Amino acid sequence: EIVLTQSPGTLSLSPGERATLSCRASQTVSSTYLAWYQQKPGQAPRLLISGASSRATGIPDRFSGSGSGTDFTLTISRLEPEDFAVYYCQQFVSSRYTFGQGTKLEIK
Amino acid sequence: QVQLVESGGGLVKPGGSLRLSCAASGFSFSDYYMSWIRQAPGKGLEWVSYISSSGTTIHYADSVKGRFTISRDNAKKSLYLQMNSLRAEDTAVYYCAREVNCFDPWGQGTLVTVSS
Repeated sequence: EIVLTQSPGTLSLSPGERATLSCRASQTVSSTYLAWYQQKPGQAPRLLISGASSRATGIPDRFSGSGSGTDFTLTISRLEPEDFAVYYCQQFVSSRYTFGQGTKLEIK
Repeated sequence: QVQLVESGGGLVKPGGSLRLSCAASGFSFSDYYMSWIRQAPGKGLEWVSYISSSGTTIHYADSVKGRFTISRDNAKKSLYLQMNSLRAEDTAVYYCAREVNCFDPWGQGTLVTVSS
């Protein structure tokens, strides 16, 4: 089973700053199946990025995804107050989906 | 608009059973794979199961294999999860989601609590 490890576990930043979130896979992952989600308290997760770098419909362009192989990154260029949430990466291989453990982005 | 609405959650004793439903609207349900994903209180996301558009291909996470059964009724635009032999560790919010190599959108979730 492929394990996704997200870092850092918690990221403390201020509005206007740049956020860089990492997702590292234990084996090579197809970029086609690498996605990022945002989850706010009491809400269902929302798709941000699919195919490692394609923004979902309605997602602001301050969100961007990059990477390949085993290392993937979600970047938020300038943090807005509504961006403080938990972020998960996800992959699919061998008929199984797995998620990273999440990165909590909190206001500094 | 595309919408998924789960129902059927509740409190059940260990060893008991529960059937979750997910009603889809706003898209051609029969064209899409669908999944169930769960989230234990205060924890991360765990994929549970997926089913192909026709229902002929099904996969489960090892944690639920042999106890849970996913199914769908394309005429009713509905997805189901039959959960048997429930354990305390199955306590979670259960989400249904449409699949296109990722999950989008998600329903609002339904809470399943397994406790005596």
